[in-house]
Amino acid sequence: NAGVMQNPRHLVRRRGQEARLRCSPMKGHSHVYWYRQLPEEGLKFMVYLQKENIIDESGMPKERFSAEFPKEGPSILRIQQVVRGDSAAYFCASSPILNEQFFGPGTRLTVL
Amino acid sequence: AQRVTQPEKLLSVFKGAPVELKCNYSYSGSPELFWYVQYSRQRLQLLLRHISRESIKGFTADLNKGETSFHLKKPFAQEEDSAMYYCALYSGGSNYKLTFGKGTLLTVNP
Repeated sequence: NAGVMQNPRHLVRRRGQEARLRCSPMKGHSHVYWYRQLPEEGLKFMVYLQKENIIDESGMPKERFSAEFPKEGPSILRIQQVVRGDSAAYFCASSPILNEQFFGPGTRLTVL
Repeated sequence: AQRVTQPEKLLSVFKGAPVELKCNYSYSGSPELFWYVQYSRQRLQLLLRHISRESIKGFTADLNKGETSFHLKKPFAQEEDSAMYYCALYSGGSNYKLTFGKGTLLTVNP
């Protein structure tokens, strides 16, 4: 089992562009979580998804951010019209049931 | 709202010395506490959880509800313990989201 995969590992965008971050959970895991880590901060919960359903998006900014976990394919975190404050490390985690979360290597987003 | 505080941003000890990484939490219910570790250039991984009451890589952590603490301890630090350590709290509910502290960077010097 290759573990949770995230791509790209590094993403550079200019202000106003869109950023798409992908997360492939571990085989057999149907729960996906996205966390954001700003510089000098801990990881902050953004959204929890199951296949085709957003279960809890209480940590997502109200505008420009969206997430999906389709029936087929990876989970996508989408940030529209990025701003410099979106620069952060974005981590995805997956779990088989409501239990231990396994983390991906993260995507480092830099907004110029 | 729940909160996890790790008061030390950096901690430096010598090899063979005892090490304690502090973690305090605020939550009115019965939390489940975890320690995660991130070694250089590696992903975040679970080190231990309080309900397991086990020792991993020589590390232990005891949940003290009176002091709302979950400090991580090891009697004899090793150089390979150098890493970033995060304390995390699960407050219950149907989503299992974690609340993390800001982390402590542990450096074990030879």
